[in-house]
Amino acid sequence: AQSVTQLDSHVSVSEGTPVLLRCNYSSSYSPSLFWYVQHPNKGLQLLLKYTSAATLVKGINGFEAEFKKSETSFHLTKPSAHMSDAAEYFCVVSRYNQGGKLIFGQGTELSVKP
Amino acid sequence: DTGVSQNPRHKITKRGQNVTFRCDPISEHNRLYWYRQTLGQGPEFLTYFQNEAQLEKSRLLSDRFSAERPKGSFSTLEIQRTEQGDSAMYLCASSPRQETRGNTIYFGEGSWLTVV
Repeated sequence: AQSVTQLDSHVSVSEGTPVLLRCNYSSSYSPSLFWYVQHPNKGLQLLLKYTSAATLVKGINGFEAEFKKSETSFHLTKPSAHMSDAAEYFCVVSRYNQGGKLIFGQGTELSVKP
Repeated sequence: DTGVSQNPRHKITKRGQNVTFRCDPISEHNRLYWYRQTLGQGPEFLTYFQNEAQLEKSRLLSDRFSAERPKGSFSTLEIQRTEQGDSAMYLCASSPRQETRGNTIYFGEGSWLTVV
């Protein structure tokens, strides 16, 4: 079975400071991992994905994540937060031979203070 | 590429009524997914299609729920005899047939259902 645990339900940072959103995964197989972002009343947008190539993955809007197998983690980071980054972030795992079905974490709400 | 389109975006219905949501995937995407998201939770998988074939259904999809994709293009999700617990956002997503690991799945903006 596969699952993801997002360790913080809410993170608050000041504009211009670093962002760290934590995610641990559990998978019996080598997983594919994703981060999606959801702005209020909007659908989900893919930020980045890990598919067993480079362990450091760069995404859109300056976000990146590092796959650490030994720690079963896939934390999302950004060097400098912007007000427009305020949103809900989901860590997601999938298994490629299960039809691409995605398993979502509970989400982390990111607030950015001026 | 116009993205995944869902209609209606919002629906308020009385308990016991039937509702239907429509999803138009990105053209030429073979796979189409339905997810449900309740407030404060991550989306949960409901079902998916490969072309017109429904390949998997979650146990969340009770007998009151039915999804179709008759011509392998658009899809409908019907909920019969709605209950207040059905209130949620229903998300549709699509992707090309998965040839490699981590194929990107593209989501629509969702259809909000409120059952009163």
